[in-house]
Amino acid sequence: DAGVTQSPTHLIKTRGQHVTLRCSPISGHKSVSWYQQVLGQGPQFIFQYYEKEERGRGNFPDRFSARQFPNYSSELNVNALLLGDSALYLCASTVGLAAYEQYFGPGTRLTVT
Amino acid sequence: AQSVTQLDSQVPVFEEAPVELRCNYSSSVSVYLFWYVQYPNQGLQLLLKYLSGSTLVKGINGFEAEFNKSQTSFHLRKPSVHISDTAEYFCAVTRTGANNLFFGTGTRLTVIP
Repeated sequence: DAGVTQSPTHLIKTRGQHVTLRCSPISGHKSVSWYQQVLGQGPQFIFQYYEKEERGRGNFPDRFSARQFPNYSSELNVNALLLGDSALYLCASTVGLAAYEQYFGPGTRLTVT
Repeated sequence: AQSVTQLDSQVPVFEEAPVELRCNYSSSVSVYLFWYVQYPNQGLQLLLKYLSGSTLVKGINGFEAEFNKSQTSFHLRKPSVHISDTAEYFCAVTRTGANNLFFGTGTRLTVIP
């Protein structure tokens, strides 16, 4: 079975631009979570979506938004990019809501210049 | 709220020597604990997890960890490391019913030939 997939692998954007990152969960998993990992730090929780509804949100500004589609894939959108948004964005999928069964994708490396 | 402290940011160790990576957590409720490994330019891979039961948890690649409730610790150990164990290791915590993980800042393990 395929694991969690994310696209694109790498991305370079300019300050003020908008970016969309994509994630496909493991088949049969209905929940997707997004994490931001800044260089030298551990991942920080951004969002969780389950059955297309937002079920959790971390301490991130409104510039960050996400959605989940009927096939359970998900998009993370970031508006008005700042240099500090440069990070590895990780997607994790789970069967249900619980965090103790999270499987992570390879991540999308976003560089903001 | 939960939090995790990884006491060592970098741990160099010679090949075939034992290693211990330290993790302490804080939480006012029952917790689940995890260790993840991250190889360069990759996502997170679960090494092991403690949900309940035996406090000694065995994981993949010869790693094990011991849950110590009185000391609020979950240290990771391996009796003999290999060059291929060179990576970043993250300790994470969540609580029953929670939908996200809280990560430590990571420990960079470098195995020296």
